[in-house]
Amino acid sequence: EVQLLESGGGLVQPGGSLRLSCAASGFTFTSYAMSWVRQAPGKGLEWVSTISSNTIGTYYADSVKGRFTISRDNSWNTVFLQMNSLRADDSAVYFCAKLYKGGWYYFDYWGQGTLVTVSS
Amino acid sequence: DIQMTQSPSSVSASVGDRVTITCRASQGITSSVAWYQQRPGKAPKLLIYAASTLQSGVPSRFSASGSGTDFTLTISSLQPEDFATFYCQQANSFPLSFGGGTKVEI
Repeated sequence: EVQLLESGGGLVQPGGSLRLSCAASGFTFTSYAMSWVRQAPGKGLEWVSTISSNTIGTYYADSVKGRFTISRDNSWNTVFLQMNSLRADDSAVYFCAKLYKGGWYYFDYWGQGTLVTVSS
Repeated sequence: DIQMTQSPSSVSASVGDRVTITCRASQGITSSVAWYQQRPGKAPKLLIYAASTLQSGVPSRFSASGSGTDFTLTISSLQPEDFATFYCQQANSFPLSFGGGTKVEI
């Protein structure tokens, strides 16, 4: 059974940093790209970032480019999102999602999300 | 960047009703569209990918079609567990993007 377990969310002041983690199990982690998708309170889904299975390819939404960094540790089946220079509009539930298969950018499994609140 | 425009933003329906949701891409994206269902407080769930392929385990009352710029999701006979918010997503190119969502209400 595929499981994605996010952690690392919490309350942070504007300008601060936070590192999210997503521990994956139940599938061959090294074969799939992984993503982060966020959802602000009462709002829709927003794609944030994707990392390829071999870590060579990383992609970012313009809203986070230069501030967020996605990475993965294939030895530990974990994907990370380092978030710097956080702003109030980064407040959201952050979901970790597995991509369907090579070159197909559909999200077939999702974690339950971790809440990030940016506030003073 | 590709924008996905979803309509309607909300729809009121009853159990047994047929419901259709549309999504329009700002440029042609062949068949690179997925549809998701999100119940309150839960993670989204993949229903349809590649515009019309039903994800494993998804009931057959869900169907979808389209290519190019116009896509539709149809629920043939609404069930109580289908009251949720539905999103389309383009998977053609980065940055990936979602439609604004359609809330299906009783």
